[in-house]
Amino acid sequence: DADVTQTPRNRITKTGKRIMLECSQTKGHDRMYWYRQDPGLGLRLIYYSFDVKDINKGEISDGYSVSRQAQAKFSLSLESAIPNQTALYFCATRGANEQFFGPGTRLTVL
Amino acid sequence: RKEVEQDPGPFNVPEGATVAFNCTYSNSASQSFFWYRQDCRKEPKLLMSVYSSGNEDGRFTAQLNRASQYISLLIRDSKLSDSATYLCVVGASGGSYIPTFGRGTSLIVHP
Repeated sequence: DADVTQTPRNRITKTGKRIMLECSQTKGHDRMYWYRQDPGLGLRLIYYSFDVKDINKGEISDGYSVSRQAQAKFSLSLESAIPNQTALYFCATRGANEQFFGPGTRLTVL
Repeated sequence: RKEVEQDPGPFNVPEGATVAFNCTYSNSASQSFFWYRQDCRKEPKLLMSVYSSGNEDGRFTAQLNRASQYISLLIRDSKLSDSATYLCVVGASGGSYIPTFGRGTSLIVHP
C-alpha cells in the first residue's frame, strides 16, 4: 500500500463549487505539505503543517484553506473554485531527510 | 531572481551519453540539497541527496559548490529509462523545513 494517498485522483468541477482534496499518510510524519504544479512553473507551496495544531500559509495560499484533522490527515479545500485553479495537486510528508509525495490529484475547473 | 533556477531543457541525448545538469540557488543560508526525479504526470521521488563532499550512486553523481551556489547532477551511460524531469530542491537549515523547488530540467534519452 502507498504511504501517502490522495483522493480523488481526478476531479472535474465547475466554477464556484467547493472542492475538498484529501491526503492521508501512514508514515507517521508530523510535517505535511500541499503543492500545486502547473506546466512550466514547477511545484509551488500552498500550505504546510508541522503538527496537528500548526497551519502555515505557503507562497500561493489565496483561494485555498486546509484542515489538519489528525497527524495522518491533511485536507485542502477550494472554497469557490475558479478556472485558474486547474492544476495537478500534490500532498507530501517529510521525514528525517526526504519528502514523500502522494500520487497527485488532477483538478479541472470549468 | 528566482530562488532556485534550472535550465528547463529539454536535453535530448542518445543512449550511452553522459549528461550534466546544473541548478543555482540564491539563499546562501541553504543547508539541504536534493535531486528529485519526476516522470510525466507522476509524483516526484527522491533521486539523491547532495552533500558537501559530493556523492555517487551508480551512474549518478551529485555535487555541491557552495562558493558559487550551485549543485550539479551528472548521469553517465544514459538509459532510455532515465528520460524524466529532474527537480532541484533546496532547503534552509533549522526545524522549519520549507523546501524550494526548481522548475525542473527535462531529459529525453533516445535510442
